[in-house]
Amino acid sequence: NAGVTQTPKFRVLKTGQSMTLLCAQDMNHEYMYWYRQDPGMGLRLIHYSVGEGTTAKGEVPDGYNVSRLKKQNFLLGLESAAPSQTSVYFCASSYGPSYQPQHFGDGTRLSIL
Amino acid sequence: EDKVVQSPLSLVVHEGDTVTLNCSYEVTNFRSLLWYKQEKKAPTFLFMLTSSGIEKKSGRLSSILDKKELFSILNITATQTGDSAIYLCAVTRMRSETSGSRLTFGEGTQLTVNP
Repeated sequence: NAGVTQTPKFRVLKTGQSMTLLCAQDMNHEYMYWYRQDPGMGLRLIHYSVGEGTTAKGEVPDGYNVSRLKKQNFLLGLESAAPSQTSVYFCASSYGPSYQPQHFGDGTRLSIL
Repeated sequence: EDKVVQSPLSLVVHEGDTVTLNCSYEVTNFRSLLWYKQEKKAPTFLFMLTSSGIEKKSGRLSSILDKKELFSILNITATQTGDSAIYLCAVTRMRSETSGSRLTFGEGTQLTVNP
């Protein structure tokens, strides 16, 4: 009963390096989301997807790219990491657009030096 | 721009106390308000509220929405140390089928329950 799984759980990068965060869900959800959580700012939506092969920008998309090649996976990429991207990243998924609750992964703590 | 404000930002109580957490919002074409509990890792869903005046209840937790005054409260009675967490409030808009269920979150209330 895995739900939403994020990998890796922790990562330290140097400025300018690239990396990809992986989110996998086994609930057959259509909708998937990437958020970042920073102190004093709550959770902010980076990008989201309403189905396989589709992506859309959220509130804070700059510096990130995403892909949804398979329904169960949603990838978040940082092409050239910056210290401002130090954060905890959460992936979430939901069954559909009918305002169903979102199910969250355990997060990835990312530090950019 | 949608806005969600939670208060207080932090709260320390003793076991057995009753607490009330507040969430006010400004959102165009409001659809629903959701409460989540975040312990050390993933936020977990508590309640979704869409109609004014109808209380949602789960054990010692309850919540109600006032769409006229644009706020919601989350009550926890007879608090326990296991209630210590960040409580997040979020709102969704009426959107098209292609734009998904986007959530706008508040900053959260850090609740600490001491034995």
